[in-house]
Amino acid sequence: DTEVTQTPKHLVMGMTNKKSLKCEQHMGHRAMYWYKQKAKKPPELMFVYSYEKLSINESVPSRFSPECPNSSLLNLHLHALQPEDSALYLCASSRTGTARFSEQYFGPGTRLTVT
Amino acid sequence: GIQVEQSPPDLILQEGANSTLRCNFSDSVNNLQWFHQNPWGQLINLFYIPSGTKQNGRLSATTVATERYSLLYISSSQTTDSGVYFCAVVFSAAGNKLTFGGGTRVLVKP
Repeated sequence: DTEVTQTPKHLVMGMTNKKSLKCEQHMGHRAMYWYKQKAKKPPELMFVYSYEKLSINESVPSRFSPECPNSSLLNLHLHALQPEDSALYLCASSRTGTARFSEQYFGPGTRLTVT
Repeated sequence: GIQVEQSPPDLILQEGANSTLRCNFSDSVNNLQWFHQNPWGQLINLFYIPSGTKQNGRLSATTVATERYSLLYISSSQTTDSGVYFCAVVFSAAGNKLTFGGGTRVLVKP
């Protein structure tokens, strides 16, 4: 089983709302990732959690706040977003705590629209 | 800087045709993956192939790490092969980051 699940599938939020994206994997993977993908562009890395600790933050604005409550769960808390933050948000996981030498598996994504 | 380049950017095929997609990378890598992104946005793993050759049905891939390129072959293409194909690498000098190429957008016509 190589499944990564994400909820919700779609999300529409206003600029003053607070919402959260959720990602889950039950493969025993030790690294989890958040990516952002704009239309007709490749995914771009936002955050990496390795062994439940934040190891990479790609200079993401503070209106995006990641959280890793346990080794199977990854959340992305959203607050005061801008319309340009509308995108597909992808979660991924990999078996080891590093992207080196370890295949990443992606969830189906959450399509976010900020109005 | 370090980068991943894919070619061609767009490809239109007639059903049944064969094609080759190319991924060039600028430095040594520890990890190379090929993905297919379907129209709903799901990234589907095709190959984990930092070196060597692999085959899976009508798809095969070859990575020549010493020459810094990888090739994805699609044979007897079907309309369900349409979508965007991404190559992604972890550069040896770049630690824990998977870097994507710009993708090849494939349309298979019936």
